[in-house]
Amino acid sequence: GENVEQHPSTLSVQEGDSAVIKCTYSDSASNYFPWYKQELGKRPQLIIDIRSNVGEKKDQRIAVTLNKTAKHFSLHITETQPEDSAVYFCAASYSGGGADGLTFGKGTHLIIQP
Amino acid sequence: EAQVTQNPRYLITVTGKKLTVTCSQNMNHEYMSWYRQDPGLGLRQIYYSMNVEVTDKGDVPEGYKVSRKEKRNFPLILESPSPNQTSLYFCASTRTGGDTDTQYFGPGTRLTVL
Repeated sequence: GENVEQHPSTLSVQEGDSAVIKCTYSDSASNYFPWYKQELGKRPQLIIDIRSNVGEKKDQRIAVTLNKTAKHFSLHITETQPEDSAVYFCAASYSGGGADGLTFGKGTHLIIQP
Repeated sequence: EAQVTQNPRYLITVTGKKLTVTCSQNMNHEYMSWYRQDPGLGLRQIYYSMNVEVTDKGDVPEGYKVSRKEKRNFPLILESPSPNQTSLYFCASTRTGGDTDTQYFGPGTRLTVL
């Protein structure tokens, strides 16, 4: 089955700086890579995702890049703000137009220092 | 309002006492999943369902059962709960099509087994 590794487990950055979280996956058939943000005591919420036919996707201060050859993808957050503090999870799946469920990384606790 | 609901939100029980956690979605999604979240381990998939009467094991199915008799409901059953099933449980349903397989999570059920 799929295995997703996520690094770092904790990341502390100064407000206004950029943050990068990296994930690798094992199954070359995986073709869908979402990122979720989970604030304390709340449910995970999708913030951005990418499919394997795209190398990069941006949404305002958030971007995701995908390297299929190396089987890794990254989340980039620019101009970090206090509300970006949360746990971030990457995930991978082979959906082929459907969704068989996601394999998640173990999460990164992002801390934004004022 | 489009949503995934879970009940109960909090449950304390004793070893061996059968329990059911309900999950319901009003978005007409075909795909539904159950995850457990434990500190340092991220989100691990228990079971998933691709449609009515179609269910399959995820990564950690031992000790759990599910059923999918109706599209909107996907209950999680613990026939004989044990302390190692103390965890935070999330149900999720998935919209498919287009460029994303957006997964919507329920609010979570915190289960303690004594």
